[in-house]
Amino acid sequence: EVQLVESGGGLVQPGRSLRLSCAASGFTFGDNAMHWVRQAPGKGLEWVSGISWNSGSRDYADSVKGRFTISRDNAKNSLYLQMNSLRPEDTALYYCAKDIIPLMTTVTTGREYDAFDIWGQGTMVTVS
Amino acid sequence: DIQMTQSPSSLSASVGDRVTITCRASQSISSYLNWYQQRPGKAPKLLIYAASSLQSGVPSRFSGSGSGTDFTLTISSLQPEDFATYYCQQSFTTPHFGGGTKVEIK
Repeated sequence: EVQLVESGGGLVQPGRSLRLSCAASGFTFGDNAMHWVRQAPGKGLEWVSGISWNSGSRDYADSVKGRFTISRDNAKNSLYLQMNSLRPEDTALYYCAKDIIPLMTTVTTGREYDAFDIWGQGTMVTVS
Repeated sequence: DIQMTQSPSSLSASVGDRVTITCRASQSISSYLNWYQQRPGKAPKLLIYAASSLQSGVPSRFSGSGSGTDFTLTISSLQPEDFATYYCQQSFTTPHFGGGTKVEIK
């Protein structure tokens, strides 16, 4: 079964740090770009960060640039999000998501991101 | 950044109705447009990718169309399980979601 399981959320004070993890199973993790998407309580979806299959590209939303760092360990089938200088507006449910784009498409065209076909259930981060 | 605007932000409909949701990009995104469904308390689910390609396992009553800046998601005959919030997302540049459209029971 294809699965993503997030962990690491919790209650943290403003200005502190938190590290989220996402464990992947059921697919070849190293072949796919991965993303973090968040959803504040009662609000819509916000893309936070994405990383290419080989960590060659890492991209961030303006709202988190310079504070958050995405990384991955393909040997451990794991995705991470290091969140520093947390703010109350970072309070949200954080989802890990797999990109649908085939590795061969990335290699031949340079396109690294597309749609998100597999999502975890999310981990809640509360900054207060 | 490319901004995505969905309309309406909410709508009320009955089972069996045909429902259309619109998504407009602030600049051309070719066909790099995806649609998701999110039921309350659940993770989003991919419905349509590349503007009009139906994701595996998604019922055929869902369809997508458009290119450039204007896109639509159509549900041909609304079913009880379709009452949810729908989001568009562009993948022409770094991903960005629309604000969502909540489909409620009339």
